Amino acid sequence: GQQVMQIPQYQHVQEGEDFTTYCNSSTTLSNIQWYKQRPGGHPVFLIQLVKSGEVKKQKRLTFQFGEAKKNSSLHITATQTTDVGTYFCAPNFGNEKLTFGTGTRLTIIP
Amino acid sequence: IAGITQAPTSQILAAGRRMTLRCTQDMRHNAMYWYRQDLGLGLRLIHYSNTAGTTGKGEVPDGYSVSRANTDDFPLTLASAVPSQTSVYFCASRDRASTDTQYFGPGTRLTVL
Repeated sequence: GQQVMQIPQYQHVQEGEDFTTYCNSSTTLSNIQWYKQRPGGHPVFLIQLVKSGEVKKQKRLTFQFGEAKKNSSLHITATQTTDVGTYFCAPNFGNEKLTFGTGTRLTIIP
Repeated sequence: IAGITQAPTSQILAAGRRMTLRCTQDMRHNAMYWYRQDLGLGLRLIHYSNTAGTTGKGEVPDGYSVSRANTDDFPLTLASAVPSQTSVYFCASRDRASTDTQYFGPGTRLTVL
């Protein structure tokens, strides 16, 4: 079936350290979106990647889409306490459904 | 503009009771979705609707039903609630006409005893 694996499930980092979460699919994706959910909140859209090899940046966040359009990553440089939350990838397999990865929960040690 | 609203915010329900979770959006998005979120399992799609009058099954549809009589409303019904349906439920709408972004409601926390 069409599934995606998101790793790691949890990540604890010291404030100021970098953080990366990965999303891996066994099949080629049409596109992939990334969302952030703060504790107690709802998922909020961050970005969409469409093109093979695409790299997009939002301040300290860097999003990449693999050349084969099967893998994606979100990298945060120099984490801050405001980065706390769970980061989800949402792969689009080209059908009408939009499913989500299991998420990576980021906690920051001040 | 409210975006997406959900009601109730939270509910405690006895097993076997019927419950409808309400979802309304004012962005005129054609596509709407219901997800449940459980610890360690992320967001799982229950049902979706690409446009008013149509619905489809997601990953975990059993025990749930939806209807889409108009563009704005997408209620989720639990015909006979069971404890395994204890979860946080999120409704979302999708702007497929332009950015393809999904917008989520604030969620409903449901406890079935």
